[in-house]
Amino acid sequence: NAGVTQTPKFQVLKTGQSMTLQCAQDMNHNSMYWYRQDPGMGLRLIYYSASEGTTDKGEVPNGYNVSRLNKREFSLRLESAAPSQTSVYFCASSEEGRPNEKLFFGSGTQLSVL
Amino acid sequence: QKEVEQNSGPLSVPEGAIASLNCTYSDRGSQSFFWYRQYSGKSPELIMFIYSNGDKEDGRFTAQLNKASQYVSLLIRDSQPSDSATYLCAVVYGGSQGNLIFGKGTKLSVKP
Repeated sequence: NAGVTQTPKFQVLKTGQSMTLQCAQDMNHNSMYWYRQDPGMGLRLIYYSASEGTTDKGEVPNGYNVSRLNKREFSLRLESAAPSQTSVYFCASSEEGRPNEKLFFGSGTQLSVL
Repeated sequence: QKEVEQNSGPLSVPEGAIASLNCTYSDRGSQSFFWYRQYSGKSPELIMFIYSNGDKEDGRFTAQLNKASQYVSLLIRDSQPSDSATYLCAVVYGGSQGNLIFGKGTKLSVKP
């Protein structure tokens, strides 16, 4: 049982390049999330998808777009990468998206924008 | 402004001691509180959650919630070197998981 799988694990981009971070979960969860984690800033929510077909902005959505491709997959796209987007990105999922639910996290993507 | 405050540490305790991690939050209406553990270079994992005032125990871990004072704490009894990690406090503001706010984390170091 893989849980939440993120690809790639590491990526280096030049300023202005675009890329898509992929995330898939095999737990039949309805809700999925993208977080970024920066030193001294903690985890901050970028976007989330409460259910298939819906997406909502989180705390720090600027510079990102998301796609909930189906129930399993939730991708995060950087259209024009900036050095400020250097961070560790975590995808997560939860069963129904209720406030008291456990989040299951992927292993993370270390992104550097030069 | 929705805030979750934690002392960044590092908090250093000897093996076998009790480690006490604290967290304060700004919204009196918050109902759900979580502690995630994150080892260096790894992803967070949930270790405790608490919704009601008082204590909740799970093995060596005890979560304490005081809504009147707006703080939540995590006690780790008989601390082990394997407990060395960053502990993230998380609080739900409002009715959706999209309003889950994480603190910056407290780094715990348990010395053998």
